[in-house]
Amino acid sequence: DIQMTQSPSSLSASVRDRVTITCQASQDISTYLNWYQQKPGKAPKLLIYDASNLEPGVPSRVSGSGSGTDFNFTISSLQPDDIATYYCQQYDILPLTFGGGTKVEIK
Amino acid sequence: QVQLVESGGGVVQPGRSLRLSCAASGFIFSNSAMHWVRQAPGKGLEWVALISYDGTNKYYADSVKGRLTIFRDNFKDTLYLQMTSLRAEDTAVYYCARDHGRGPPFEWGRSNYWGQGTLVTVSS
Repeated sequence: DIQMTQSPSSLSASVRDRVTITCQASQDISTYLNWYQQKPGKAPKLLIYDASNLEPGVPSRVSGSGSGTDFNFTISSLQPDDIATYYCQQYDILPLTFGGGTKVEIK
Repeated sequence: QVQLVESGGGVVQPGRSLRLSCAASGFIFSNSAMHWVRQAPGKGLEWVALISYDGTNKYYADSVKGRLTIFRDNFKDTLYLQMTSLRAEDTAVYYCARDHGRGPPFEWGRSNYWGQGTLVTVSS
C-alpha cells in the first residue's frame, strides 16, 4: 500500500497568515492526489483534486501543488472559517490511502 | 441537489452482522462509482471499499476484505455495505461518498459528495 505522510500533524497560526501543509507519498503517484477539509462533526469536503485543481466553489486563497512524491497545500491568508482538519489522499493505486491529517487552529 | 443519506448504524455485538444503506438523490446514481469511507472516534479517515458504476467491479481495504461487502441497487438508487463478523476495530462513523467518475478502468478518483455518516459501534 502507498503510505501518505502529512506534516505537521497540527498547527496554530494567526488570521491572515500563510499556512502550508505537506504530504509525502511512499512512491511516485504522479498528480493523483486530493485534499479534503473536515470540520468537527461533519463529513469531509473536497477542496483540491489532481494535486492542483480547485474544486468549484472553493475560495481562491486555497491552492495545491506538487507531483511525484511531494505535495503542498496552502492557504494564502488564513481565515476563521478555515479551522478544520485537512487530509491528503492518493488515488493512483488501490487501496486508496489518506494522510494522517493536519489540524489547523487559530492562534 | 446531490444528497447522500446513510442509515443502518447502531450498536452491535462482536461477531454479529449489520447492513448499512446510503440513499442517493439529485444525480444519476447509475453513472457514478461509490465509496465507503470510515472514521474511528478521534482518528483519521480510512477508505473501506469502492464499487463501479454498474456494480461489476468491487475493491476493498485489506482490513475488511472477506468480512464487508459493498453492493448497489441502481433501480433503488441505493448503496449498501453488508458487514459481517464485526470486530471492535470496526467501530467508526461510516460515510458513503460519490466518485466523480464511473470507477476503474474509466476515469475516477475524487469524492465530491459525501453523506453525513452513520455511527457503528461494535461492543459487547
